[in-house]
Amino acid sequence: GAVVSQHPSWVICKSGTSVKIECRSLDFQATTMFWYRQFPKQSLMLMATSNEGSKATYEQGVEKDKFLINHASLTLSTLTVTSAHPEDSSFYICSALRPPFNEQFFGPGTRLTVL
Amino acid sequence: GQQVMQIPQYQHVQEGEDFTTYCNSSTTLSNIQWYKQRPGGHPVFLIQLVKSGEVKKQKRLTFQFGEAKKNSSLHITATQTTDVGTYFCAGGGTSYGKLTFGQGTILTVHP
Repeated sequence: GAVVSQHPSWVICKSGTSVKIECRSLDFQATTMFWYRQFPKQSLMLMATSNEGSKATYEQGVEKDKFLINHASLTLSTLTVTSAHPEDSSFYICSALRPPFNEQFFGPGTRLTVL
Repeated sequence: GQQVMQIPQYQHVQEGEDFTTYCNSSTTLSNIQWYKQRPGGHPVFLIQLVKSGEVKKQKRLTFQFGEAKKNSSLHITATQTTDVGTYFCAGGGTSYGKLTFGQGTILTVHP
């Protein structure tokens, strides 16, 4: 299958700081990437759709000013959690859409812990 | 909005027994995808079904997409301990590429 990487794999930060997470498609170009959030033993919740060269589309209830998404190239999307608080602690997973059949390939995830 | 319900939430089986998980969507789907997530890992793509009534097999795994394209199932024959994990279905709707995930079925296999 296709390879999607995420960096960092885990991060611990203090409350109030900002954290940037990178998502890269390594062996294909992805005009569309997705960002998900997953709480322990729960399903994946779609946060936003990241489109190369245009603004991200956020799901209802997701604060766009808090979760900044940038998709500057066909292989890279970034999610910045601004002014992180303990309730933002979660497992953040990105995925990339591989053409032409639109299978989604997931990155390994980033575990964020906000103290 | 689109909702995808998945049952059961948990399934404990003895090694060698069969296992099935079911998904039902509130709306007609353009496609359905299945993923497996091991504890501590990320979802791994298993398969995509697109056609009404489609059936696909991967070794001991059989995937079905309903005639109405609103339900799907994953059946594992003769489970092995390596099958342990959470199986998610994810339905594609009208929005390009977007998936709605089911709640997942956590499979435990006792040797």
